[in-house]
Amino acid sequence: AQSVTQPDIHITVSEGASLELRCNYSYGATPYLFWYVQSPGQGLQLLLKYFSGDTLVQGIKGFEAEFKRSQSSFNLRKPSVHWSDAAEYFCAVHRYNDYKLSFGAGTTVTVRA
Amino acid sequence: ETGVTQTPRHLVMGMTNKKSLKCEQHLGHNAMYWYKQSAKKPLELMFVYNFKEQTENNSVPSRFSPECPNSSHLFLHLHTLQPEDSALYLCASSGSGAGEETQYFGPGTRLLVL
Repeated sequence: AQSVTQPDIHITVSEGASLELRCNYSYGATPYLFWYVQSPGQGLQLLLKYFSGDTLVQGIKGFEAEFKRSQSSFNLRKPSVHWSDAAEYFCAVHRYNDYKLSFGAGTTVTVRA
Repeated sequence: ETGVTQTPRHLVMGMTNKKSLKCEQHLGHNAMYWYKQSAKKPLELMFVYNFKEQTENNSVPSRFSPECPNSSHLFLHLHTLQPEDSALYLCASSGSGAGEETQYFGPGTRLLVL
Protein backbone atom coordinates (compact mmCIF):
# COMPACT_ATOMS: atom_id res chain seq x y z
CA ALA A 1 0.00 0.00 0.00
CA GLN A 2 1.13 3.46 -0.69
CA SER A 3 1.61 5.99 2.07
CA VAL A 4 2.45 9.65 2.38
CA THR A 5 4.48 11.03 5.25
CA GLN A 6 4.72 14.64 6.27
CA PRO A 7 7.24 14.54 9.11
CA ASP A 8 6.54 18.01 10.44
CA ILE A 9 3.21 18.47 12.17
CA HIS A 10 3.72 22.18 12.85
CA ILE A 11 6.21 24.73 11.56
CA THR A 12 6.57 28.33 12.71
CA VAL A 13 8.35 30.74 10.42
CA SER A 14 8.94 34.47 10.46
CA GLU A 15 7.39 36.62 7.78
CA GLY A 16 9.87 37.08 4.97
CA ALA A 17 11.81 33.94 5.85
CA SER A 18 12.01 30.89 3.64
CA LEU A 19 9.81 27.85 4.12
CA GLU A 20 10.30 24.20 3.27
CA LEU A 21 7.73 21.50 3.93
CA ARG A 22 8.75 17.89 3.63
CA CYS A 23 6.85 15.08 1.98
CA ASN A 24 7.91 11.48 1.48
CA TYR A 25 5.95 8.75 -0.20
CA SER A 26 6.23 5.02 -0.51
CA TYR A 27 5.15 3.52 -3.78
CA GLY A 28 6.82 1.21 -6.26
CA ALA A 29 6.44 3.46 -9.27
CA THR A 30 6.52 7.21 -9.67
CA PRO A 31 3.07 8.41 -8.73
CA TYR A 32 1.42 11.69 -9.47
CA LEU A 33 2.21 14.17 -6.69
CA PHE A 34 0.29 17.14 -5.38
CA TRP A 35 0.45 19.85 -2.79
CA TYR A 36 -2.75 21.41 -1.48
CA VAL A 37 -3.29 24.25 0.98
CA GLN A 38 -6.21 24.64 3.34
CA SER A 39 -7.01 27.90 5.10
CA PRO A 40 -9.16 27.73 8.23
CA GLY A 41 -12.75 26.84 7.44
CA GLN A 42 -12.01 26.35 3.76
CA GLY A 43 -11.61 23.50 1.33
CA LEU A 44 -8.36 22.38 -0.24
CA GLN A 45 -6.77 24.54 -2.91
CA LEU A 46 -4.31 23.04 -5.36
CA LEU A 47 -0.87 24.66 -5.14
CA LEU A 48 0.98 22.56 -7.69
CA LYS A 49 1.34 19.09 -9.13
CA TYR A 50 3.93 16.81 -10.67
CA PHE A 51 3.10 14.22 -13.28
CA SER A 52 6.32 13.90 -15.26
CA GLY A 53 9.08 15.95 -16.87
CA ASP A 54 10.96 18.73 -15.12
CA THR A 55 11.39 17.74 -11.50
CA LEU A 56 11.11 21.33 -10.28
CA VAL A 57 7.53 22.52 -10.59
CA GLN A 58 6.17 25.98 -10.05
CA GLY A 59 2.82 26.61 -8.47
CA ILE A 60 0.57 29.41 -7.40
CA LYS A 61 1.32 31.94 -4.66
CA GLY A 62 5.06 31.73 -5.25
CA PHE A 63 5.41 28.09 -4.21
CA GLU A 64 7.59 25.49 -5.89
CA ALA A 65 8.27 21.82 -5.24
CA GLU A 66 11.03 19.47 -6.26
CA PHE A 67 10.56 15.79 -7.00
CA LYS A 68 13.52 13.63 -6.04
CA ARG A 69 13.05 10.05 -7.16
CA SER A 70 16.09 8.76 -5.25
CA GLN A 71 14.67 10.09 -2.00
CA SER A 72 10.98 9.46 -2.75
CA SER A 73 10.39 13.05 -1.78
CA PHE A 74 8.38 15.97 -3.03
CA ASN A 75 9.24 18.92 -0.81
CA LEU A 76 7.45 22.24 -1.04
CA ARG A 77 9.33 25.53 -0.80
CA LYS A 78 8.71 29.23 -0.77
CA PRO A 79 11.59 31.74 -0.66
CA SER A 80 9.79 34.41 1.36
CA VAL A 81 6.59 33.72 3.27
CA HIS A 82 3.77 36.17 3.78
CA TRP A 83 1.39 36.27 6.72
CA SER A 84 -1.33 34.98 4.40
CA ASP A 85 0.61 31.73 3.95
CA ALA A 86 -0.44 30.64 7.42
CA ALA A 87 -2.51 27.53 6.72
CA GLU A 88 -2.39 23.77 6.66
CA TYR A 89 -0.53 22.11 3.82
CA PHE A 90 -1.20 18.63 2.50
CA CYS A 91 0.92 16.47 0.28
CA ALA A 92 -0.98 13.89 -1.76
CA VAL A 93 -0.09 10.96 -3.96
CA HIS A 94 -2.15 9.57 -6.79
CA ARG A 95 -1.38 6.22 -8.34
CA TYR A 96 -1.32 6.12 -12.09
CA ASN A 97 -4.74 5.38 -13.54
CA ASP A 98 -6.32 5.19 -10.11
CA TYR A 99 -8.96 7.57 -8.92
CA LYS A 100 -7.76 7.69 -5.34
CA LEU A 101 -5.60 10.26 -3.64
CA SER A 102 -3.66 9.37 -0.51
CA PHE A 103 -3.03 12.34 1.73
CA GLY A 104 -0.41 13.04 4.31
CA ALA A 105 -1.49 14.11 7.77
CA GLY A 106 -0.73 17.74 6.96
CA THR A 107 1.67 20.40 8.21
CA THR A 108 0.34 23.48 9.93
CA VAL A 109 2.31 26.62 9.16
CA THR A 110 2.25 29.57 11.53
CA VAL A 111 3.73 32.87 10.37
CA ARG A 112 4.98 35.26 13.01
CA ALA A 113 5.47 38.95 12.40
CA GLU B 1 -13.92 29.88 -6.38
CA THR B 2 -17.01 28.61 -8.14
CA GLY B 3 -15.60 25.41 -9.69
CA VAL B 4 -16.97 23.13 -6.97
CA THR B 5 -19.69 24.37 -4.66
CA GLN B 6 -21.12 22.75 -1.55
CA THR B 7 -24.26 23.49 0.42
CA PRO B 8 -24.91 24.01 3.18
CA ARG B 9 -21.61 25.33 4.51
CA HIS B 10 -22.60 24.58 8.09
CA LEU B 11 -25.07 22.05 9.47
CA VAL B 12 -26.12 21.13 12.98
CA MET B 13 -28.29 18.08 13.36
CA GLY B 14 -29.56 15.73 16.01
CA MET B 15 -28.91 12.04 15.90
CA THR B 16 -32.46 11.30 14.74
CA ASN B 17 -32.52 13.85 11.93
CA LYS B 18 -32.22 13.24 8.22
CA LYS B 19 -30.33 15.76 6.15
CA SER B 20 -28.52 15.94 2.84
CA LEU B 21 -25.32 17.56 1.69
CA LYS B 22 -25.11 18.81 -1.86
CA CYS B 23 -22.13 19.21 -4.15
CA GLU B 24 -22.11 20.69 -7.63
CA GLN B 25 -19.19 21.01 -10.02
CA HIS B 26 -18.98 23.34 -13.00
CA LEU B 27 -15.73 21.95 -14.40
CA GLY B 28 -17.08 19.39 -16.85
CA HIS B 29 -15.62 16.54 -14.82
CA ASN B 30 -16.91 12.98 -14.75
CA ALA B 31 -15.57 11.81 -11.41
CA MET B 32 -16.76 13.05 -8.02
CA TYR B 33 -15.68 12.22 -4.50
CA TRP B 34 -16.75 12.57 -0.87
CA TYR B 35 -14.10 12.94 1.81
CA LYS B 36 -14.36 13.22 5.58
CA GLN B 37 -11.91 15.44 7.43
CA SER B 38 -11.84 15.03 11.19
CA ALA B 39 -9.63 16.94 13.57
CA LYS B 40 -6.11 15.54 13.81
CA LYS B 41 -6.78 12.78 11.26
CA PRO B 42 -5.81 12.48 7.60
CA LEU B 43 -8.48 13.01 4.99
CA GLU B 44 -10.57 9.92 4.56
CA LEU B 45 -11.96 9.02 1.17
CA MET B 46 -15.56 7.91 1.54
CA PHE B 47 -17.04 7.44 -1.92
CA VAL B 48 -16.02 7.75 -5.55
CA TYR B 49 -18.35 8.13 -8.50
CA ASN B 50 -17.20 7.89 -12.09
CA PHE B 51 -19.69 8.65 -14.85
CA LYS B 52 -22.46 8.48 -12.22
CA GLU B 53 -21.49 4.98 -11.15
CA GLN B 54 -20.15 4.31 -7.68
CA THR B 55 -16.67 2.86 -8.00
CA GLU B 56 -15.50 3.10 -4.42
CA ASN B 57 -17.13 2.71 -1.02
CA ASN B 58 -14.42 2.89 1.55
CA SER B 59 -16.21 0.84 4.23
CA VAL B 60 -18.48 3.74 5.06
CA PRO B 61 -21.35 3.06 7.52
CA SER B 62 -24.77 2.78 5.93
CA ARG B 63 -25.99 5.88 7.76
CA PHE B 64 -24.16 7.74 4.97
CA SER B 65 -25.88 7.26 1.62
CA PRO B 66 -24.44 8.88 -1.51
CA GLU B 67 -26.35 9.74 -4.64
CA CYS B 68 -25.02 10.89 -8.00
CA PRO B 69 -27.89 11.72 -10.36
CA ASN B 70 -25.56 13.13 -13.02
CA SER B 71 -21.90 13.96 -13.47
CA SER B 72 -22.34 17.48 -12.11
CA HIS B 73 -24.16 16.73 -8.87
CA LEU B 74 -23.34 14.64 -5.86
CA PHE B 75 -25.34 14.25 -2.68
CA LEU B 76 -24.61 12.72 0.68
CA HIS B 77 -27.75 11.71 2.56
CA LEU B 78 -27.36 11.52 6.30
CA HIS B 79 -29.56 9.69 8.79
CA THR B 80 -29.22 8.60 12.42
CA LEU B 81 -25.71 9.97 12.66
CA GLN B 82 -23.48 9.71 15.70
CA PRO B 83 -21.55 12.51 17.41
CA GLU B 84 -18.30 11.05 16.07
CA ASP B 85 -19.57 11.82 12.58
CA SER B 86 -19.05 15.51 13.28
CA ALA B 87 -16.43 16.65 10.78
CA LEU B 88 -15.78 18.68 7.66
CA TYR B 89 -17.18 16.89 4.61
CA LEU B 90 -15.39 17.75 1.41
CA CYS B 91 -16.51 17.13 -2.12
CA ALA B 92 -14.08 16.98 -5.02
CA SER B 93 -14.20 16.36 -8.74
CA SER B 94 -11.74 15.39 -11.43
CA GLY B 95 -11.58 14.31 -15.01
CA SER B 96 -11.56 10.65 -15.88
CA GLY B 97 -8.92 10.44 -18.57
CA ALA B 98 -5.17 10.02 -18.37
CA GLY B 99 -3.58 13.21 -17.16
CA GLU B 100 -6.89 14.45 -15.73
CA GLU B 101 -6.45 13.04 -12.24
CA THR B 102 -6.13 16.38 -10.47
CA GLN B 103 -8.91 16.71 -7.93
CA TYR B 104 -10.53 20.07 -7.25
CA PHE B 105 -12.22 20.56 -3.93
CA GLY B 106 -15.22 22.44 -2.71
CA PRO B 107 -15.22 24.55 0.46
CA GLY B 108 -16.74 21.79 2.55
CA THR B 109 -19.72 21.39 4.85
CA ARG B 110 -18.96 21.66 8.56
CA LEU B 111 -21.25 19.13 10.25
CA LEU B 112 -21.98 19.00 13.96
CA VAL B 113 -24.01 16.10 15.28
CA LEU B 114 -25.55 16.63 18.69
